[in-house]
Order: sequence, then C-alpha cells, then structure tokens
Amino acid sequence: DGGITQSPKYLFRKEGQNVTLSCEQNLNHDAMYWYRQDPGQGLRLIYYSQIVNDFQKGDIAEGYSVSREKKESFPLTVTSAQKNPTAFYLCASSRTADYGYTFGSGTRLTVV
Amino acid sequence: AQSVTQPDIHITVSEGASLELRCNYSYGATPYLFWYVQSPGQGLQLLLKYFSGDTLVQGIKGFEAEFKRSQSSFNLRKPSVHWSDAAEYFCAVGHGGSQGNLIFGKGTKLSVKP
Repeated sequence: DGGITQSPKYLFRKEGQNVTLSCEQNLNHDAMYWYRQDPGQGLRLIYYSQIVNDFQKGDIAEGYSVSREKKESFPLTVTSAQKNPTAFYLCASSRTADYGYTFGSGTRLTVV
Repeated sequence: AQSVTQPDIHITVSEGASLELRCNYSYGATPYLFWYVQSPGQGLQLLLKYFSGDTLVQGIKGFEAEFKRSQSSFNLRKPSVHWSDAAEYFCAVGHGGSQGNLIFGKGTKLSVKP
C-alpha cells in the first residue's frame, strides 16, 4: 500500500547536536511538507517542496534545513540553532494542495 | 491574509449525542476546505473535503460538513458520537493548484463522556 513513512517515531537529542528526521513517500506525490506541532498551537509550516531540487521556507524555518534530492524523500534537519526543538514533527505530501495532504505518523523529538 | 479559526479549543459531549465543530475561514476566493482528525501521538487523517458543488459533503466515519459561503463557515457534524471519536480535529483551507498550501486552524479537542 502507498503511504508516507516517518522515522524514527521517537528521537532524543543532546543540546548542541544536529539531528535529521526522515520522511519517505511512495505515493508519487510532487509536493512534500514539514510541520511542527506544539500543544495548543496547531500546525506550523517549516518548509515545503513542490518539486525535486526546490524548496521554500515556511513560517518557522529558522533553525531548520531540508533537501529534496529525490521525489520520494524530504528529510528535515533540526540544527543546533533551533532554540526550542522539542516538539512533534509531521511530514505530509500531496499531488496538489487541492487534493489534500497525506500525513505521516510523526516524529517526537526531545532535547535532553 | 488567509486564516482559519476554530473557536472551540475543547468540547466534551456524551456518547450518542450529536456533535458540531465550528470552522470559520477568511479567504478572498472560492476556498478548498478540509477537515482532518488526529488521534494522540499520530498523524492527521483526512475526514472530508469540499471543492465545489453540493455544499453538504459526506466523509468517513459518519462525519459530514456543510459549506456556507455567506457565513464563511465549514462546520463539521456527526449525528451520534462514539467514544472512538475522541481526538483532535483540524479544519484547513487552501486555494488549490500546484502552488497552494493549506492553512490549518489550531484544532478542537473532542472528549467523549460515557
């Protein structure tokens, strides 16, 4: 079955370390997205990519970086510059936005 | 600017009672509207979507939503709530096309009393 896979489900990081969250989809979707979710704040867009080798900053891109070298993959790196990285991170993909997004099951990142 | 408002942060209903979750949007053109549901620690699942046509749309799990242009609303309803419906619900709006991104409301948490 087609879907979108995020790994790992739980991730612990020491302060000052970079960490990369994986997102892979086999839906043949062109667009992919990264959201951050904090309690009571809904979903905030970090980065999105409409096509391979191209991506744009979302509302809260500072302290994050992405790459889109393959259509299927859109990894997110949380850098040491991100001041409050502890959160639930969601990856999504879509054919186009009007068809809605398919979400992964999320990665919970905790800085220790 | 485009925006989505879900006025209710938390709603509690009794099992078997009816449910209505409110969503209001601010958008300049004809919107594409969505409702998603999220169980704790999980991703979001699409419940239903509206693009055009019949303003009453049916979704999965017995949910429906009605688009009311005059009120800029897209409220989600269910006639009889089950305990398994306890989750967080998100409304989203977009304008479609390859350059469009969805804008999400902040969510409404639904609790179900036995």
